[in-house]
Amino acid sequence: GQQVMQIPQYQHVQEGEDFTTYCNSSTTLSNIQWYKQRPGGHPVFLIQLVKSGEVKKQKRLTFQFGEAKKNSSLHITATQTTDVGTYFCAVNTGNQFYFGTGTSLTVIP
Amino acid sequence: EAGVAQSPRYKIIEKRQSVAFWCNPISGHATLYWYQQILGQGPKLLIQFQNNGVVDDSQLPKDRFSAERLKGVDSTLKIQPAKLEDSAVYLCASSLYGSPGNTIYFGEGSWLTVV
Repeated sequence: GQQVMQIPQYQHVQEGEDFTTYCNSSTTLSNIQWYKQRPGGHPVFLIQLVKSGEVKKQKRLTFQFGEAKKNSSLHITATQTTDVGTYFCAVNTGNQFYFGTGTSLTVIP
Repeated sequence: EAGVAQSPRYKIIEKRQSVAFWCNPISGHATLYWYQQILGQGPKLLIQFQNNGVVDDSQLPKDRFSAERLKGVDSTLKIQPAKLEDSAVYLCASSLYGSPGNTIYFGEGSWLTVV
C-alpha cells in the first residue's frame, strides 16, 4: 500500500510555542487531507490541499502542499491546550485512503 | 445530519472467541471503510466498499476477519477467532464516493480488548 511517513512521531511544546508536523510520500499525490484525533476520540477532518504549492490557513493553523506534491506540512502558531491530539495526514491512491503514522502533540500549560 | 453510527462501543472477549461490529454510514454515502487503529498508531485500512462491492481488502486478514455490506448501506465486521493482537479500535467511516477529494467521516469507534 501507499507509504506515508510523518515526522516527528511525538512533540511536546510549552503553551504558546509553535508546532510543525511534516508528511512525506514516496509518490506524487493528487491531494492530501489532514485530520485531528483528540485523545480517546476519532479522527476529524481539518482540510484538504489539492494544488501544487497550495497554502491554506485556519485561524492559527497553516497547511502547505509541496511544489512536487509529495509532501505537506501543518504549522500551529502559539499552541493552546486545546490543540492537544494526534495529527494525521491522509492520501488517496486511486480510490483508497491511507493515513500517515501521525504526530502526537502534547501542550504543557 | 446524523453521523456514522457504530456499535458496540466497547467489547471485551477472550482469545479464540468471536465478535461482530456494526456500522451505519451517513445517509447517501456510497463508500464505507473499516479501519483498525492500534493504540499509538495511525488508522490502517482493512476494507473499503463502494456500495455493496469491495474496492480494496488487501490488508484484511481473511483467515479470521470478514466484512459484508449486503444492501449497500450498513455493514458488519466479524473477527473469528480473535487473537490478542486484535485488540484495537475498529473505526468505521464513510464518504460520498471513494474518489480523490472526498472527505471521510468517522464514527466513534468500537473498542475491542482481547484477553
